[in-house]
Amino acid sequence: NAGVTQTPKFQVLKTGQSMTLQCAQDMNHEYMSWYRQDPGMGLRLIHYSVGAGITDQGEVPNGYNVSRSTTEDFPLRLLSAAPSQTSVYFCASSRLGTGTYGYTFGSGTRLTVV
Amino acid sequence: GQQVMQIPQYQHVQEGEDFTTYCNSSTTLSNIQWYKQRPGGHPVFLIQLVKSGEVKKQKRLTFQFGEAKKNSSLHITATQTTDVGTYFCAGFSGGYQKVTFGTGTKLQVIP
Repeated sequence: NAGVTQTPKFQVLKTGQSMTLQCAQDMNHEYMSWYRQDPGMGLRLIHYSVGAGITDQGEVPNGYNVSRSTTEDFPLRLLSAAPSQTSVYFCASSRLGTGTYGYTFGSGTRLTVV
Repeated sequence: GQQVMQIPQYQHVQEGEDFTTYCNSSTTLSNIQWYKQRPGGHPVFLIQLVKSGEVKKQKRLTFQFGEAKKNSSLHITATQTTDVGTYFCAGFSGGYQKVTFGTGTKLQVIP
């Protein structure tokens, strides 16, 4: 199993450009989420999904859109990139329900907005 | 909103010394998870604690969940260079949207 695959690994954008960060998982996990990681601030939840067709906002959703058309894929769209969106982005997935289900993280996308 | 503070922010130890990181929540948690992130890597799930006062061990790592379910700790006995990384707690207070990650403790082990 590949686990959680994120592409691209690195990206440089100009202010105002848009782009999509891709995330795919092959573990049939119901739950998928996007986090951004900034120095000294830990991981902050952007958006999450508990199944195909169901998405919701996390702590820092502004400037980002998501959709979940399949169980496997959960792309994150930056609508109009701003320097404040320079960060490392992680996609994570998990099973739902009672049990010890930790998140499986992808390897991350390092985004720089200039 | 829920806040999860982690201390210390950084810790340098000599190889063989013990290490502890503490996680404190402003609200009562339903469960807490711990993750390790190696330099340049991604967070990797270590363990989940659910019950008040729960203690779990993984080899040299000991995890505790406080009686009031508002704090937790991770203790590493006799650190090794392979323990280097940042340790995060993630506090859940009901529902997957109610997860808050701590700011992390970066551990450096001096050989």
